[in-house]
Amino acid sequence: DMKVTQMPRYLIKRMGENVLLECGQDMSHETMYWYRQDPGLGLQLIYISYDVDSNSEGDIPKGYRVSRKKREHFSLILDSAKTNQTSVYFCASSSGTANTEVFFGKGTRLTVV
Amino acid sequence: GDSVTQTEGQVTVSESKSLIINCTYSATSIGYPNLFWYVRYPGEGLQLLLKVITAGQKGSSRGFEATYNKEATSFHLQKASVQESDSAVYYCALSDRGNMGYKLTFGTGTSLLVDP
Repeated sequence: DMKVTQMPRYLIKRMGENVLLECGQDMSHETMYWYRQDPGLGLQLIYISYDVDSNSEGDIPKGYRVSRKKREHFSLILDSAKTNQTSVYFCASSSGTANTEVFFGKGTRLTVV
Repeated sequence: GDSVTQTEGQVTVSESKSLIINCTYSATSIGYPNLFWYVRYPGEGLQLLLKVITAGQKGSSRGFEATYNKEATSFHLQKASVQESDSAVYYCALSDRGNMGYKLTFGTGTSLLVDP
């Protein structure tokens, strides 16, 4: 079963706390992504990982970092969360070629208060 | 950088009527990008609706279709007769080669509401 799993699905954190969002995939995909989605802005790419320890900044990396120590796991870390990081975060994976499907998780709704 | 533009943020259509959702794109690579439509149903993650990787060709799925028009740099999504179950958010996207590999760039999404 081809699946991208995100944990947790909902999270409320206080400003200044650290946040860890986790993502797993069972398709042995090389490429994994973290996006955030805000009303009117669509999906914005935070980081992309082309394989273990091979990560690249996306369009909006500031305030985030990532970790990929195993091909099937890709974590997004917010050190000292800010209220403007309240958003829905989507993890995705693909086999990395131009015309293949990208598979998405169901998203994590993060609220920073 | 690459960009995808969807001009309609929200569209309301009566059931059985036709639909068109506009999408235009700009890609930085020398070759032609691959184009996609993704859909997000309530409570679900995004899923691929259709893709076209060759300029001039048409993709279709679930009654939706889109034609890759390289001259107009457009990839509009159309359906002849919508159903209430089509209510969802639709995203146009392109895949283009970046420094280290391929990257998927999305439009802002169009929320479709089908009135029964």
